[in-house]
Amino acid sequence: DVQMTQSPSNLAASPGESVSINCKASKSISKYLAWYQQKPGKANKLLIYSGSTLQSGTPSRFSGSGSGTDFTLTIRNLEPEDFGLYYCQQHNEYPYTFGAGTKLELK
Amino acid sequence: QVTLKESGPGILQPSQTLSLTCSFSGFSLSTYGMCVGWIRQSSGKGLEWLANIWWNDDKYYNPSLKNRLTISKDTSNNQAFLKITNMDTADTATYYCARSSGGLGFAYWGQGTLVTVSS
Repeated sequence: DVQMTQSPSNLAASPGESVSINCKASKSISKYLAWYQQKPGKANKLLIYSGSTLQSGTPSRFSGSGSGTDFTLTIRNLEPEDFGLYYCQQHNEYPYTFGAGTKLELK
Repeated sequence: QVTLKESGPGILQPSQTLSLTCSFSGFSLSTYGMCVGWIRQSSGKGLEWLANIWWNDDKYYNPSLKNRLTISKDTSNNQAFLKITNMDTADTATYYCARSSGGLGFAYWGQGTLVTVSS
């Protein structure tokens, strides 16, 4: 299985700041990485797939980069609604695997 | 508008079989490229992919659950199903179904159904 190592586990920031979350795959997954946002009481939201393609409806302040084994989710100009949990997931091969998550908290 | 909703027993005893239903609308699982997957999340923990079923009835399973999983679909009634045999307390989790198109991430998720395994 492809192991996904996500960092940091926790991140504190203020509205207006920019943050980055990293995801490292144990082997090459080409470009096939997705990023999700999870918030209590809401359905999980796909933000980005194939490493850098924004899902319809994802604000442009979100961006994804990387290929092979190293990927980054960047959120610029944080909005209050951006605080929550973020997960990466490789969709290159079965079994699909997720990172352990990053909790983005208000500083 | 795509929606998915999971349903399950809520609680069951160890060694029993879990049967989950995903009822969806806004798409057809007979459409080329469509896929429904099951993912679970234990309390306070991360996400674990369990199985996918595709429009052409191709099925993929997480080998970590060995031969305990069976995924199926009823295209006419817009439902997908997951059975997990020999449930254990470690299988207590919120179970989600989600839709993928072309394997490009799960773009639509249900709200999840909590399944507790307890004697």
